[in-house]
Amino acid sequence: NAGVMQNPRHLVRRRGQEARLRCSPMKGHSHVYWYRQLPEEGLKFMVYLQKENIIDESGMPKERFSAEFPKEGPSILRIQQVVRGDSAAYFCASSPGLGDTEAFFGQGTRLTVV
Amino acid sequence: QKEVEQNSGPLSVPEGAIASLNCTYSDRGSQSFFWYRQYSGKSPELIMFIYSNGDKEDGRFTAQLNKASQYVSLLIRDSQPSDSATYLCAVSGGFKTIFGAGTRLFVKA
Repeated sequence: NAGVMQNPRHLVRRRGQEARLRCSPMKGHSHVYWYRQLPEEGLKFMVYLQKENIIDESGMPKERFSAEFPKEGPSILRIQQVVRGDSAAYFCASSPGLGDTEAFFGQGTRLTVV
Repeated sequence: QKEVEQNSGPLSVPEGAIASLNCTYSDRGSQSFFWYRQYSGKSPELIMFIYSNGDKEDGRFTAQLNKASQYVSLLIRDSQPSDSATYLCAVSGGFKTIFGAGTRLFVKA
C-alpha cells in the first residue's frame, strides 16, 4: 500500500531556473494539497486540487508558481525563475474526500536555490 | 489574527509527565480538527482527529475540543523522550486544511 509519493526528495536549482515537483497521491485519493514549510516554521497552505481542477489556490503566490493535477499522472507544482526565498520544504498531501477528512503526507521535496 | 494559533514553545516536560498542547482557531464554521506530529526533517504524520465537542482518547493521547471557545488541545500522558517533536494543529471546514505553526515539545529523560 504505497503512500503519497513525492519526487525528487531533494532538488537544487540555480536562481532563475525552473523547479518541478511531483506528487503521486495514495491509491484511491483524488484530492491533493500542496504546502510549503520554511525552516523552523509551520506548514503554509498553497493550493488544493482535484483531478483536472484547481479548487483553491489562495495560498499560491500570484507569479511564478503554478500547479496542476492532470487526469493521468502525478500532480505537479512548478516554480519558474526560482529565487533564494523559494528554498523550503514542499509537502504534498492527499485525501479521499473533502477537506474534513484526514490528509496523508508525502516525504516532501526539499528545494534549495543557490 | 492568525487562523490557527499555537504556542511555538518549546514546551519541556520530564519523562512520565503529562504534556498539554493547545490550539485556538478563528473560523467558527470549522468542522474537523487534527493533530499531526512532525519529527525534525520528516513529514507530518496524523496522530489524532476529532470532530465533536468533548474528549477523544487513543492510547496515551487525548484530544479535547470545545467549539464554543474555538479551542482544541492534545494531552500526552506518560510522556516519553520519543514524543519529542513538533505538534501541528490543523483545522478544516471544507476545501482546505489550515495548519498552525506548531508547538515544539521536549521530553527530558
